[in-house]
Amino acid sequence: GEDVEQSLFLSVREGDSSVINCTYTDSSSTYLYWYKQEPGAGLQLLTYIFSNMDMKQDQRLTVLLNKKDKHLSLRIADTQTGDSAIYFCAEISGYSTLTFGKGTMLLVSP
Amino acid sequence: DTAVSQTPKYLVTQMGNDKSIKCEQNLGHDTMYWYKQDSKKFLKIMFSYNNKELIINETVPNRFSPKSPDKAHLNLHINSLELGDSAVYFCASRRLRETQYFGPGTRLLVL
Repeated sequence: GEDVEQSLFLSVREGDSSVINCTYTDSSSTYLYWYKQEPGAGLQLLTYIFSNMDMKQDQRLTVLLNKKDKHLSLRIADTQTGDSAIYFCAEISGYSTLTFGKGTMLLVSP
Repeated sequence: DTAVSQTPKYLVTQMGNDKSIKCEQNLGHDTMYWYKQDSKKFLKIMFSYNNKELIINETVPNRFSPKSPDKAHLNLHINSLELGDSAVYFCASRRLRETQYFGPGTRLLVL
């Protein structure tokens, strides 16, 4: 079945860049997503990329997709303490169902 | 203005009780979902409805029964609640080939 893997934890200093990585197995994925979940809150869509794109930039966020290696990354430039959260990678599989990774906890220290 | 709403936000109940969680979306989407997020934050699809018809039913105990009275609503009814049902339940909706939008989640605690 489909599987999405992420590293569980990332710690950076304020002002540094953060890079969160994700690998997936479903080669028929059409869209790949990054969601953010702050403590005690719901899921917030950060950005997404269509599978025929290599890169997408949105302000401080850069998404890179290597479809050959099935590798997706999210880069956050100038990371702020408010970026501390859990980041979920997800891909569309089957009948438009999202398969999520287990989430990467990003901790930003001052 | 709320796109996908869920009620209640918090639910604390005793083992063995029956409870319902409601979800409503005002986006005109035709597909709605229920996800479960366990204590380790892992998200898993439970059900998916398209135009009021069940299209995905993952391996979920039959104590869980989704009900879709219309395209804008997908409610989740849980019978005979067990301790292991404690989790955060997220509703989501989407239009075909578009992005899923999630509700704020319902935190269920079974004592």
